[in-house]
Formats: sequence, C-alpha cells, structure tokens
Amino acid sequence: QKEVEQNSGPLSVPEGAIASLNCTYSDRGSQSFFWYRQYSGKSPELIMFIYSNGDKEDGRFTAQLNKASQYVSLLIRDSQPSDSATYLCAVNSGGYQKVTFGTGTKLQVIP
Amino acid sequence: EAQVTQNPRYLITVTGKKLTVTCSQNMNHEYMSWYRQDPGLGLRQIYYSMNVEVTDKGDVPEGYKVSRKEKRNFPLILESPSPNQTSLYFCASSLFGGGDTQYFGPGTRLTVL
Repeated sequence: QKEVEQNSGPLSVPEGAIASLNCTYSDRGSQSFFWYRQYSGKSPELIMFIYSNGDKEDGRFTAQLNKASQYVSLLIRDSQPSDSATYLCAVNSGGYQKVTFGTGTKLQVIP
Repeated sequence: EAQVTQNPRYLITVTGKKLTVTCSQNMNHEYMSWYRQDPGLGLRQIYYSMNVEVTDKGDVPEGYKVSRKEKRNFPLILESPSPNQTSLYFCASSLFGGGDTQYFGPGTRLTVL
C-alpha cells in the first residue's frame, strides 16, 4: 500500500479556473506536508508547506490540511498556462527524517 | 548563489562498473538526501543524512552507498550498477531535516547498459 497517494491525472482546467489537487497519506504520525512543483525535465521546487490543520494561503495558492481525514490539498486560483506542471505531495513523519513523496499529479492549464 | 550541484548531469555506463555521483551544497544545510525518480513511481528516497558521519536508509537503499565526511558533500556510490538502477537521480538539502523545505539539485540521468 502506497503511503502517499495522488491522482496521476492529467488534470485539465481552463485558464482562470481553480485547480484542485489532492493527496492522502497513511501515517497518522505525519507532521510536515509539502507541495512541490516540477516542470518537465526540471527539478522539484517548493510551492507551499503546511504543518497545522486548516488553510494556509500564499498568493494564488492555498494549502489545506485535515489530519483527521489524512488528506492535504492544494488549490490554485486563477490558473495560468505557466502553472502547467506536475505537482508532488511530500510527507514527513516528525521524529523520523524520511520523506515520502506521492507519484505526482500532472496539471494542464488550457489557454 | 545558494544552490545544490550534482555531477555528472548525464552518465551512460555498463553493468558492474563502479560509479560515483557527487552532490554539494553551499547553504550550510544539516540535512542532505538522495532520491531516484522513475515513471509511475515518483520520487523515492534512497539515503539521507542528518549531519557529518550520520546517514540512514530511505525506502530504496539496496545497491547504493553514501558517505558524509564533510557537511557540504554527500556523494552517491553505485559499486556494481545494474540496469534496474537506470533512473533520474536528485540530491536535495534542507536546513533542519526532513520536516523542512528541501532544495533540489538539477538531477543526474543515469543509464546502465
């Protein structure tokens, strides 16, 4: 059983729409949650991190964490073609220094 | 410029020929890690290091070795590469550990024939 699950997509949204990306995890002890963006042929780069239940907003991006339901999501408002990339969810289980990534969701923003 | 560097960026080798992929960071980060990325499997952690001389296994350590003799360097060693180690490899570092933001190197594409 995979520890961090993401829908592989592709998720296609029109330009200007809201893109919603979801991630579930199996370890209830997980404490740190990250969203990375990876353009084709490039290395991952951090979009957002979240540690506490609730919402965290940064510009057009909002991360949502629900530890009871063991899911974390990323909302991208006013999606732009430049947002087209693969979005990776990553989870760290506190005292352990291991980091587990999901397989990523490919987002396509259609002009 | 703060960065993580990896060398080589591309490597084609043959089965059984020992190789080393270097990784270096100039941010004085405590934590360094190696990942491999394969289609459909995502990023999988190979080894990580919390500090000099402190290393631990990730999810897929078989066939790999690492060392952390200096804080800035974290080489990945394949002593007897096999075709199933053909992959895209990323080195990453973070200031405090696995619960902190990681900064990734540009990647090394390895092909083992």
